[in-house]
Amino acid sequence: AQSVTQPDIHITVSEGASLELRCNYSYGATPYLFWYVQSPGQGLQLLLKYFSGDTLVQGIKGFEAEFKRSQSSFNLRKPSVHWSDAAEYFCAVGGVAGGTSYGKLTFGQGTILTVHP
Amino acid sequence: EADIYQTPRYLVIGTGKKITLECSQTMGHDKMYWYQQDPGMELHLIHYSYGVNSTEKGDLSSESTVSRIRTEHFPLTLESARPSHTSQYLCASSPAAHSEQYFGPGTRLTVT
Repeated sequence: AQSVTQPDIHITVSEGASLELRCNYSYGATPYLFWYVQSPGQGLQLLLKYFSGDTLVQGIKGFEAEFKRSQSSFNLRKPSVHWSDAAEYFCAVGGVAGGTSYGKLTFGQGTILTVHP
Repeated sequence: EADIYQTPRYLVIGTGKKITLECSQTMGHDKMYWYQQDPGMELHLIHYSYGVNSTEKGDLSSESTVSRIRTEHFPLTLESARPSHTSQYLCASSPAAHSEQYFGPGTRLTVT
């Protein structure tokens, strides 16, 4: 079964500092990978996705993520954090065609980001 | 821009009541999903549908039921609410099984 691990439950950074949120997945093949952001009391908004091709993907709000097959990782990065980036971030993995998880997303536990002024 | 709506946004209800959480999308997506999310926790898939008259249970066992009579509508029903049902319920839709999912704002349910 596919699984996602986000090792950091809570991260605090200063505004303007760089950010990296970690995500490790377990899956038998190259999965579809996503990062979502959730503000308090809201649904999830897609930041970026990886299906295939270039392993460095660009998303909205200045975020990027790099897929590293050898490390089974899909870490999210931002060079300079803004106070409005404070939220909870979820990594998710989707199954590929032919597998029992096709069409479903498995989410990590989330990382809460706090931004200090 | 994704257009997926959930009502009500907040609901406080007593034990034993029947409730229906509404979810509608205007994008014509075939795939729709219901997730349950407890505070500070990951999302767990409880139901999904790949089209009209198609519904399946998700990975997390749930006492709720769903129906899919119209493409745009995917309501979730609890016949008899219990305090253990207190949670946030998120609805999502997707144009394809391998595509990203678009989420509604969620319904926060409290059963007293």
